[in-house]
Amino acid sequence: GAGVSQSPSNKVTEKGKDVELRCDPISGHTALYWYRQSLGQGLEFLIYFQGNSAPDKSGLPSDRFSAERTGGSVSTLTIQRTQQEDSAVYLCASSLVSGLSEAFFGQGTRLTVV
Amino acid sequence: KQEVTQIPAALSVPEGENLVLNCSFTDSAIYNLQWFRQDPGKGLTSLLLIQSSQREQTSGRLNASLDKSSGRSTLYIAASQPGDSATYLCAVRTYYGGSQGNLIFGKGTKLSVKP
Repeated sequence: GAGVSQSPSNKVTEKGKDVELRCDPISGHTALYWYRQSLGQGLEFLIYFQGNSAPDKSGLPSDRFSAERTGGSVSTLTIQRTQQEDSAVYLCASSLVSGLSEAFFGQGTRLTVV
Repeated sequence: KQEVTQIPAALSVPEGENLVLNCSFTDSAIYNLQWFRQDPGKGLTSLLLIQSSQREQTSGRLNASLDKSSGRSTLYIAASQPGDSATYLCAVRTYYGGSQGNLIFGKGTKLSVKP
């Protein structure tokens, strides 16, 4: 596609439910990043997929959070047993695996846990 | 561990003024530095990318400089306009370590340009 696509754009869920957020990177981009942005706050790094290497999961805030990337393309961020503090905008970015390349962001998924 | 700091956190200027946003980073081992713009409720839009071997990049009224040895970058906005109002973020691409190529962000500078 022309850009990074995230779905859904908005998600409202009840506390305790599981949610899945999807990111479609730009075609050919093998590096993929997930960030979280709470209201009025900066970007919080969650996870980084770099080609075929093991992902950097150091930013995941708890074991309720997990992410996978199938076939080196689409990524899914899963939050189990959602809590109200999980409410935030979840942003995905992608780039070519080369460290010299530019990163591009999707429009984000706004998650609200009620 | 790489840390990125942006000063000031917020800035309000009258229309037409030239302004400078600052970004500093603690580890000079970077691939590149990227400036982004974020409008309220939106994703991030890439403005400028400076490779570690470059000193500056220009796009229209924007000019970004990089002094890798001192760990600093500036974003210069000429003749500011109300449409420039947004949050500006800088990010460095790490060169070393187990997370090579990761993007580390500052907390941003919120710019308001008054008509």
